[in-house]
Amino acid sequence: EVQLVESGGGLVQPGGSLRLSCAASGFTFSTYDVHWVRQATGQGLEWVSGITAAGNSYYADSVKGRFTISRENAKNSLYLQMNSLRDGDTAVYYCARSAIAAAGSGAFDIWGQGTMVTVSS
Amino acid sequence: EIVLTQSPATLSLSPGERATLSCRASQSVSVYLAWYQHKPGQAPRLLIYDTSNRATGIPARFSGSGSGTDFTLTISGLEPEDFAVYYCQQRRSWPITFGQGTRLEIK
Repeated sequence: EVQLVESGGGLVQPGGSLRLSCAASGFTFSTYDVHWVRQATGQGLEWVSGITAAGNSYYADSVKGRFTISRENAKNSLYLQMNSLRDGDTAVYYCARSAIAAAGSGAFDIWGQGTMVTVSS
Repeated sequence: EIVLTQSPATLSLSPGERATLSCRASQSVSVYLAWYQHKPGQAPRLLIYDTSNRATGIPARFSGSGSGTDFTLTISGLEPEDFAVYYCQQRRSWPITFGQGTRLEIK
């Protein structure tokens, strides 16, 4: 079964750090782009970051300089290192995969169930 | 950054009716627009990719159209399970962006 499973969410104080993980199974992880998407309570979906199969990384302006995306193909895993966390980063964080595309990235065809990150003192 | 604007914000319809959701891009995304369905407590689900292609397992009552900057998702004959929030997304260029969503609610 093709699957993505997030972990690592939790409660962290403003200014703190957290590392999210996403474990992939059922497909050849190294041949897909992968992304993090978040949803704050009562808000819409917000793309956070993506990393291509070739290893190129991209970020939303709201997290640039604070978050770092990485992948470890040998472990079929995606990561999001989140530093200098703010109240506004509180959200459910989803990982998602997309096919490689000539421009941008593919549509997000597989999603995980999400992990909750709460930034609060 | 390409901004996507969805309308209406909320759509109230009855089962069996036809739903028409719109998405407008601030600049051309060619045909590289997708639609997702999202229900509370669940992962978002890909419905339509590249404007008009249904994703695997998506019923034929879901269809997409448009090009450039104006796109439409149509749901013909609403089923009870179709009431949810719908998002459009452009994948043409980084950063990837989503619209703010349209809530489809039961009238």
